[in-house]
Amino acid sequence: DTEVTQTPKHLVMGMTNKKSLKCEQHMGHRAMYWYKQKAKKPPELMFVYSYEKLSINESVPSRFSPECPNSSLLNLHLHALQPEDSALYLCASSQGTGSNEKLFFGSGTQLSVL
Amino acid sequence: QQPVQSPQAVILREGEDAVINCSSSKALYSVHWYRQKHGEAPVFLMILLKGGEQKGHDKISASFNEKKQQSSLYLTASQLSYSGTYFCGTGGQYNFNKFYFGSGTKLNVKP
Repeated sequence: DTEVTQTPKHLVMGMTNKKSLKCEQHMGHRAMYWYKQKAKKPPELMFVYSYEKLSINESVPSRFSPECPNSSLLNLHLHALQPEDSALYLCASSQGTGSNEKLFFGSGTQLSVL
Repeated sequence: QQPVQSPQAVILREGEDAVINCSSSKALYSVHWYRQKHGEAPVFLMILLKGGEQKGHDKISASFNEKKQQSSLYLTASQLSYSGTYFCGTGGQYNFNKFYFGSGTKLNVKP
């Protein structure tokens, strides 16, 4: 199994809603990532978990809250988002933390904030 | 911190060649290349490590010059399936998890 699975594929939420994005991998990878991608732009790094611990937070607003319940699962909890947060949210994983580790991406969650 | 790519966009006919460049203002220890088709996730193409090596993948190859802090992706005899946006990417020396993508190059191969 070489897949990273993200759910839901599409999400529409209001600015007062609370929702969560889910990411799962069963490749035994020990690093997991959240990226945000706006249309026609490169993916922007948000968070990195390494061995289930948050290792990188790229100064992301607190309305985004990541969680790594176990080595296979990564969540992104959303609360009080703004319309400018509408984007494609990509999850990725890698075997480890070395420079020769390739990233495997999920197909993403297309988020629209109304 | 984000690598810069050039050109921003390329239009090719099938069978033509293209070169995409990636440069960084910071030291590069390795370079990744990914391709993303519209509405899909980025897909890994190759990794180049220090040493100026050149790698190949079908008719797509790449070079890496760490002294110049540059990498180039070469697409030869392009096929329709090569269309998409190409990103280079790199991480930090001591924390490669801090992985940043380049600005992207959109490639459109026409029949």
